Amino acid sequence: DAKTTQPTSMDCAEGRAANLPCNHSTISGNEYVYWYRQIHSQGPQYIIHGLKNNETNEMASLIITEDRKSSTLILPHATLRDTAVYYCIVKVGNFNKFYFGSGTKLNVKP
Amino acid sequence: NAGVTQTPKFQVLKTGQSMTLQCAQDMNHEYMSWYRQDPGMGLRLIHYSVGAGITDQGEVPNGYNVSRSTTEDFPLRLLSAAPSQTSVYFCASKGQGAIGGELFFGEGSRLTVL
Repeated sequence: DAKTTQPTSMDCAEGRAANLPCNHSTISGNEYVYWYRQIHSQGPQYIIHGLKNNETNEMASLIITEDRKSSTLILPHATLRDTAVYYCIVKVGNFNKFYFGSGTKLNVKP
Repeated sequence: NAGVTQTPKFQVLKTGQSMTLQCAQDMNHEYMSWYRQDPGMGLRLIHYSVGAGITDQGEVPNGYNVSRSTTEDFPLRLLSAAPSQTSVYFCASKGQGAIGGELFFGEGSRLTVL
């Protein structure tokens, strides 16, 4: 009953942009897309979220396709500290359930 | 401002024992939730609450009980621990105002059931 699909792992060179894709083809019109990351075994950390428009904050940019069936998280200048598992999440059903998939393990290499 | 606080950080149980994982938040958040994370896996929702006196099930509720008597606290109870419940447990809270908004996570409680 997966609501999002992400690649298992990706590599990125330090200083380059990391582009992490996510498919969410069953997303409903009022459901937000959220991105979190988890470094080692720490609690997940919020990165960004969006509904329809592209969003940018101090950590990342979020690009959502016009049909809203997929999105891309962009880390503009990846550093070694960005090595983590990145989760793309959409709420399922009602507003209050946030389901995490397996995420993408991003390896930033020197 | 401590955010979300979980206790204990580590616990070892024997099969059949009971225990309670504590979660407290000081942000006046209406929404609180519990997740478990097995090795190499993503997080799975166990139970959640949208306010005092209101709880509901997530993906994997079996074997766990919750209650919400105050806004601040959301304890997770294991009535009869099983080895399959060996996992890392995360508590998260969220303000209820906007439809958007972020989940704030605790540091996790690592449970081993022998």
